[in-house]
Amino acid sequence: DAGITQSPRHKVTETGTPVTLRCHQTENHRYMYWYRQDPGHGLRLIHYSYGVKDTDKGEVSDGYSVSRSKTEDFLLTLESATSSQTSVYFCAISESSGGEKLFFGSGTQLSVL
Amino acid sequence: DAKTTQPTSMDCAEGRAANLPCNHSTISGNEYVYWYRQIHSQGPQYIIHGLKNNETNEMASLIITEDRKSSTLILPHATLRDTAVYYCIAGGNTGKLIFGQGTTLQVKP
Repeated sequence: DAGITQSPRHKVTETGTPVTLRCHQTENHRYMYWYRQDPGHGLRLIHYSYGVKDTDKGEVSDGYSVSRSKTEDFLLTLESATSSQTSVYFCAISESSGGEKLFFGSGTQLSVL
Repeated sequence: DAKTTQPTSMDCAEGRAANLPCNHSTISGNEYVYWYRQIHSQGPQYIIHGLKNNETNEMASLIITEDRKSSTLILPHATLRDTAVYYCIAGGNTGKLIFGQGTTLQVKP
């Protein structure tokens, strides 16, 4: 299995508080992605990174920011969590952007009360 | 990315081959066909992908029709651990693949 670690695995927080989720990889892959998964919506891309300090928005980026200061770490921040951000968050990595495999982490279950 | 159509659910007997169909009639020439699966509450797992030719690996075989408008994922000897949601995706950009609702495969003893 690809070396991807997401932390925390579970988190419960209150509306309005900041939350940061971490994705750590040991594969030295260039591309990293954050998805959220909700019933009825499948997996939706939030943000992605194509290198250190290089990031771009995905399909559902509002309310989220990301940072990548090192190849191995990709952080997802909810500046002020809302109940609509209750979801399962998955990090994924790939070597390149075309025709390559995506490797996923185990996910973070986030509940915003 | 091209839209894909998969059956909502399928059953398969343990030990038999599971054949999961997918339609992607609007696929463009540079788009790959990917298959992933997701076992309950885990992250999606890559299975196989192809462009034009049929592909086989240790997990499965991918059969793509000559016109590339449809494909079939074959799990040669399904086990109970193959029970999962299977996603067929057609796309060119790895990170922007659209995971739809997939096919829920139930392998039964």
